[in-house]
Amino acid sequence: GNSVTQMEGPVTLSEEAFLTINCTYTATGYPSLFWYVQYPGEGLQLLLKATKADDKGSNKGFEATYRKETTSFHLEKGSVQVSDSAVYFCALTNSGGGADGLTFGKGTHLIIQP
Amino acid sequence: KAGVTQTPRYLIKTRGQQVTLSCSPISGHRSVSWYQQTPGQGLQFLFEYFSETQRNKGNFPGRFSGRQFSNSRSEMNVSTLELGDSALYLCASSPSTGTSGAYEQYFGPGTRLTVT
Repeated sequence: GNSVTQMEGPVTLSEEAFLTINCTYTATGYPSLFWYVQYPGEGLQLLLKATKADDKGSNKGFEATYRKETTSFHLEKGSVQVSDSAVYFCALTNSGGGADGLTFGKGTHLIIQP
Repeated sequence: KAGVTQTPRYLIKTRGQQVTLSCSPISGHRSVSWYQQTPGQGLQFLFEYFSETQRNKGNFPGRFSGRQFSNSRSEMNVSTLELGDSALYLCASSPSTGTSGAYEQYFGPGTRLTVT
């Protein structure tokens, strides 16, 4: 079956530091990959996505590249802000019109200190 | 465009009772999925509905059920509640057209269920 592995943290960084959150996956076929972010007391917000190998998703300064050879989708940001403090989830789904549901990693709690 | 809405936001129930949660998807979205989020198990897929039909179901007991109405609104029901059912229940809608292709899902704020 499908699975997603990511560091759980907490990951603590200073403001303006470089961020990398690792994500690796196991899946059949050619899944689509996503990063979601969850702020305290809220649901999940889609941060970025990539649907095929070598695609780069980007949004709000965050980037992730779909690497099929290493089955990875690491999240990066060049300069983090205090407002980026949240829990980040890597997720995947197999193509199929959305019927398969998302498989999530355990989430990485990110804390940015001023 | 309004986002996904879920009602109620918070709920407290007693073991053995049943509960119904409601979800209104983004206008135009016909696919609705439900997820359970707990500190121990993380986010787990419950089921997905498209045009009033359940297309897929996760690994949960039969006490968990759902349905979708013709206006795409969805409800999930949990019968004979157990303490372990305490969780945040998230609903997500998708612009899936029902054909092959992965579509992003947009989540609501969730319903926090506490079972005592």
